[in-house]
Amino acid sequence: SAVISQKPSRDICQRGTSLTIQCQVDSQVTMMFWYRQQPGQSLTLIATANQGSEATYESGFVIDKFPISRPNLTFSTLTVSNMSPEDSSIYLCSVVEQGGGYEQYFGPGTRLTVT
Amino acid sequence: AQTVTQSQPEMSVQEAETVTLSCTYDTSESNYYLFWYKQPPSRQMILVIRQEAYKQQNATENRFSVNFQKAAKSFSLKISDSQLGDTAMYFCACTSGTYKYIFGTGTRLKVLA
Repeated sequence: SAVISQKPSRDICQRGTSLTIQCQVDSQVTMMFWYRQQPGQSLTLIATANQGSEATYESGFVIDKFPISRPNLTFSTLTVSNMSPEDSSIYLCSVVEQGGGYEQYFGPGTRLTVT
Repeated sequence: AQTVTQSQPEMSVQEAETVTLSCTYDTSESNYYLFWYKQPPSRQMILVIRQEAYKQQNATENRFSVNFQKAAKSFSLKISDSQLGDTAMYFCACTSGTYKYIFGTGTRLKVLA
């Protein structure tokens, strides 16, 4: 299965600032996803990021708040903009491998705390 | 719309015993996939087991097996010979051709020594 890394692993940020989270995969992947996991909760899909096209956002998430880049088949970034304490969460990226099935493989997550 | 329900917020089991985690789902798709993921305190989501809806045989991975009841839309996970390292949150998930997952709310499992 794909090996996925995320940077940073955690950060503490001031409200009103922005943070960019990186997701790097050790192989080319078809689809990448970004999730938010609020404390003690399940995972909520933010957006689907496919290479060569604009990210597709889920209801309740907008590009101005969570801009995403997908410059190639192994890398993506998610920016959390103009942060507020409500953005404090774990952010995870996941991938679907080329030629694989429907299983997703997840990165280790980025724990964000906004003060 | 797809939904996934996990009705057990927390469970505990003695080491070496067997435990079953419940999951029910609802989907209008004829072809779909079901998964169990484990999230230990390290927060890494780990795929435990997968089941294709078109397969009647229940999936098995070492100590982990599922009881897939398609008509009842039930997909429970059985963990045999529980180990301390099985302590984690367990999420049930469903997807169809869009690749997007719908996750359940999770079951926190604690294995007791």
